[in-house]
Amino acid sequence: EVQLVESGGGLIQPGGSLRLSCAVSGFTVSSNYMTWVRQGPGKGLEWVSVIYSDGRTHYADSVKGRFTISRDNSKNTLFLQMNSLRADDTAVYYCARWGGATPFDYWGRGTPVTVST
Amino acid sequence: EIVMTQSPATLSVSPGERATLSCRASQSVSSNLAWYQQKPGQAPRLLIYAASTRATGIPARFSGSGSGTEFTLTISSLQSEDFAVYYCQQYNYWYSFGQGTTLEIK
Repeated sequence: EVQLVESGGGLIQPGGSLRLSCAVSGFTVSSNYMTWVRQGPGKGLEWVSVIYSDGRTHYADSVKGRFTISRDNSKNTLFLQMNSLRADDTAVYYCARWGGATPFDYWGRGTPVTVST
Repeated sequence: EIVMTQSPATLSVSPGERATLSCRASQSVSSNLAWYQQKPGQAPRLLIYAASTRATGIPARFSGSGSGTEFTLTISSLQSEDFAVYYCQQYNYWYSFGQGTTLEIK
C-alpha cells in the first residue's frame, strides 16, 4: 500500500525556518518525481517545488531562493527546507508523487505551517 | 507562467443531474491537463489526466475533454459524494492550478 506521511509543520515566527518531511512507503522516492504543493487557508492549490529522479530541482518563483527540496534515499523520505518564512507562506503543505504519465497521483494528508507572531 | 482559469466559481446542481466544469489556459498546454477533486479536510484526488484519461478507480461518470487551451470536466448523474471542489492543473510547462470550482447541492 502506498503511503505518504508529512510532518514537521507548526507555528513559526516570520523570518524563521522549518524543515518538512514526507515519509514514503509503497514506492521508491528516488525513482520518481516528487513534489510539494501548498494550500493557504481558504485558498486553492499552489505548486511549490519538484525534485526529479535525476536529482534536478525546480521551484515556484514565490519560494525560489528561500526553500530547498531534497531527499534521503536511505530513508525513502522527501524534505522541504523552508527559510526566511513569511506570513504568506502560511498553508497546509502536501507532498505528492508525479507518477510520470500520471501527474500527482499519490498525496499525503498534509502538514500545516503557520507563520505568525 | 501559464495561468489557469476555471468557471464557474460555484456550480449548483441537483443530485442525478449533469455537471459541466470549464478550465481555460492562458496558452496552449496541449493535452497536459489534469483534474482533481478535493473534499474538506482531505488531500486532492487525481480524477483525470492527459485531458481525458480517468485515473485508476475513478468512476465512468467522470469524463474529461479538450485540448490546447479549452478543457471540460463532465460529471454525469451526480452522486452525493461528488459535491466537492474541483481543480484543473496544467503540467505542460511546470505546473499550475486553476482557482477551483465548488460543486454544491442545489
